[in-house]
Amino acid sequence: GDSVTQMEGPVTLSEEAFLTINCTYTATGYPSLFWYVQYPGEGLQLLLKATKADDKGSNKGFEATYRKETTSFHLEKGSVQVSDSAVYFCAHGGSNYKLTFGKGTLLTVNP
Amino acid sequence: DAMVIQNPRYQVTQFGKPVTLSCSQTLNHNVMYWYQQKSSQAPKLLFHYYDKDFNNEADTPDNFQSRRPNTSFCFLDIRSPGLGDAAMYLCATSSMDRTSYEQYFGPGTRLTVT
Repeated sequence: GDSVTQMEGPVTLSEEAFLTINCTYTATGYPSLFWYVQYPGEGLQLLLKATKADDKGSNKGFEATYRKETTSFHLEKGSVQVSDSAVYFCAHGGSNYKLTFGKGTLLTVNP
Repeated sequence: DAMVIQNPRYQVTQFGKPVTLSCSQTLNHNVMYWYQQKSSQAPKLLFHYYDKDFNNEADTPDNFQSRRPNTSFCFLDIRSPGLGDAAMYLCATSSMDRTSYEQYFGPGTRLTVT
């Protein structure tokens, strides 16, 4: 069945470090791919998305590229800030109106 | 700004006392979802409405019900809350007019059961 596997956390980085959070998926067809971010006590916010192979989603310095050959959608940021501390969820969605989420990765950025 | 609104943000109820959580949207999306999220876990889909068509997930307990009186509003009713129902409840919407099927989430309601 459909699934999303993302890097287990927690991830702890110093400010200005490079971030990668790995995400791979299994799905029927070619789903849309998403990264959501959840700050403490809040709902999920859509961070970025990609709807077809080789698309690159980007927002707030974060990027992820839809790689069909490796079924991956890794999240990267060149220089993290303390304000990026949050839980990040990789997800895929398709025509059944539902999202399949990964388990989430807690990122803590220290000053 | 168009958005998804959830009220209240924090709700305390007693064991076995019915409680209703509400969600409204100004996005005019035709799909609305209710999720349950427990600490450090991914959101778990309880059910969704496509317009007025209700779709229950197979493992959603009967204790959870939902109503969607119109496009803008959706309610989650917990008939007899147990201690295990304490969680964050998230409402989300989606427009099937789009091709990417992204969902837009409200801020959530944190439910405490005493």
